[in-house]
Amino acid sequence: DTAVSQTPKYLVTQMGNDKSIKCEQNLGHDTMYWYKQDSKKFLKIMFSYNNKELIINETVPNRFSPKSPDKAHLNLHINSLELGDSAVYFCASSQGPSGAAYEQYFGPGTRLTVT
Amino acid sequence: SQKIEQNSEALNIQEGKTATLTCNYTNYSPAYLQWYRQDPGRGPVFLLLIRENEKEKRKERLKVTFDTTLKQSLFHITASQPADSATYLCAPIEAGDKIIFGKGTRLHILP
Repeated sequence: DTAVSQTPKYLVTQMGNDKSIKCEQNLGHDTMYWYKQDSKKFLKIMFSYNNKELIINETVPNRFSPKSPDKAHLNLHINSLELGDSAVYFCASSQGPSGAAYEQYFGPGTRLTVT
Repeated sequence: SQKIEQNSEALNIQEGKTATLTCNYTNYSPAYLQWYRQDPGRGPVFLLLIRENEKEKRKERLKVTFDTTLKQSLFHITASQPADSATYLCAPIEAGDKIIFGKGTRLHILP
């Protein structure tokens, strides 16, 4: 059974389009995250939700909007895609909030390529 | 600003030897420090967590140390195997704050 799953795995789209990435976890965790890993492999947190409530919102363009319909799902919608948005996006979950001794479980990633 | 430094270049280690990876941090007072492994095309996988009041933690062939005076964590893999080849990420965590990952060290175990 996949603990944290993301769809799609690959996403190729043109500048200016709007796209969504979906994430689901079946671990019963309370906290979910979105990370961006750029071409230099630097993994940076974007958002974190705890029990459907946004608790971390890093300096991310407001073209990125996360949505958590329930504890098990955290989706990422991106408007007006730009070339610089090309990266691998990882979803993750943990039993409790960031800033405590909770390990994070990562999804397989979504490779977004904007042309 | 908070800064994390890991071995900047790839690390090549002969099979069977001990691999030691370094994580240094500045402007940080982490209560915890985590280590993750990332294989190409995959998400990071949690390996070990060590708390600020722990000097050392072990799990099978893995050992992590945490020196809050030196602001450093060392990650050791003993009896290394080619299957240990991956990128290893350290993540110091201040209590109540977000996790921040280092850039990682690429480890190659040579047969």
